[in-house]
Amino acid sequence: DTGVSQNPRHKITKRGQNVTFRCDPISEHNRLYWYRQTLGQGPEFLTYFQNEAQLEKSRLLSDRFSAERPKGSFSTLEIQRTEQGDSAMYLCASSLAGPYNEQFFGPGTRLTVL
Amino acid sequence: RKEVEQDPGPFNVPEGATVAFNCTYSNSASQSFFWYRQDCRKEPKLLMSVYSSGNEDGRFTAQLNRASQYISLLIRDSKLSDSATYLCVVNGRRSGNTPLVFGKGTRLSVIA
Repeated sequence: DTGVSQNPRHKITKRGQNVTFRCDPISEHNRLYWYRQTLGQGPEFLTYFQNEAQLEKSRLLSDRFSAERPKGSFSTLEIQRTEQGDSAMYLCASSLAGPYNEQFFGPGTRLTVL
Repeated sequence: RKEVEQDPGPFNVPEGATVAFNCTYSNSASQSFFWYRQDCRKEPKLLMSVYSSGNEDGRFTAQLNRASQYISLLIRDSKLSDSATYLCVVNGRRSGNTPLVFGKGTRLSVIA
């Protein structure tokens, strides 16, 4: 399977704990995006990378969130001191830099904060 | 005004029916437009990119009206497997390589 992959698929944690998610994009894609989706809403943009450079961060991304893409391939999203409001599906997408920006999504990581 | 607005539905239609969804967007500088399909508890999957005045892919037709800032999706001969949430998506900037802005989605149920 050469699509976007994400791990873990599900994560249950207690409030205050740190969690880290991983995304492996489609291999030839140089752009990687993180989104968050809650029930009844469309995905909301968090941050994106072109190669290893983080080019934009949403105001949704509080100081407790950090993302990296150290070698321009896979990316990690860390949430420190999780809160119940962080419970959501975290989606990763990748694309080729170009005029149309067609993004392809991974299966997501569903986070539940107790 | 929200950046991308859709009627949430649900649209309940019988098999074989034709159904149309509309979506409006607020940023006149937007350049790229898409319809994604999302099944329950799954990731969004790209259904169609919408180019210039629109395009067709089998039973699906997408139209773009830049002057009125709306996008439509027409599904002909609905199948049970078309039941899903359809997300209207806009690239919010003049440059193509930027994050997407999603509507909340329109839920479709195709009934036997």
